[in-house]
Amino acid sequence: GAVVSQHPSWVICKSGTSVKIECRSLDFQATTMFWYRQFPKQSLMLMATSNEGSKATYEQGVEKDKFLINHASLTLSTLTVTSAHPEDSSFYICSARYGTDTQYFGPGTRLTVL
Amino acid sequence: AQSVTQLGSHVSVSEGALVLLRCNYSSSVPPYLFWYVQYPNQGLQLLLKYTTGATLVKGINGFEAEFKKSETSFHLTKPSAHMSDAAEYFCAVSDPRSGTYKYIFGTGTRLKVLA
Repeated sequence: GAVVSQHPSWVICKSGTSVKIECRSLDFQATTMFWYRQFPKQSLMLMATSNEGSKATYEQGVEKDKFLINHASLTLSTLTVTSAHPEDSSFYICSARYGTDTQYFGPGTRLTVL
Repeated sequence: AQSVTQLGSHVSVSEGALVLLRCNYSSSVPPYLFWYVQYPNQGLQLLLKYTTGATLVKGINGFEAEFKKSETSFHLTKPSAHMSDAAEYFCAVSDPRSGTYKYIFGTGTRLKVLA
């Protein structure tokens, strides 16, 4: 149980285009999902908290207009990287809160912006 | 404010030897504590967690960790390392009273298992 999927697993796009990443909780409902960014050989950096039916809460320093988050249902949250640039290239990981204390993580999406 | 320190960004052990990965935390309230493992180009997999109750927690793949409040530690151990244990390990802490459910991660420890 507690499986989280992400799609796509790998995406390459041109600079200036937008990319949408989906995060789904497959066997449970998640009122709260989280989006992280991970640079090579580094830890996870929390970007935002996504709550179903309400606006996302962004961490300090994260551009809300560049990283659009929508938590449309209890099993789906999306992250859209708008007008992507090479510096947005990274590994993006989502997680979903299960119960009152535990996050289960998706497999991650590697974004490469050319 | 909470923080997590993982001592040793790289740890090498021989196959069959004891694995000890260190995690110390700073928190003004009793925290929830987690260990996750990450294999290359993958997400994080929960190894074990401590919320309340028994301070010695057993997880998957033969790992266990002990919450020591007096030492503000939550070190991860495994009696006998296996080649498949080679991965990145992250310790995380959350504040159960914050209502945000957010984690603070340590910087990670890369475990190498030598044949």
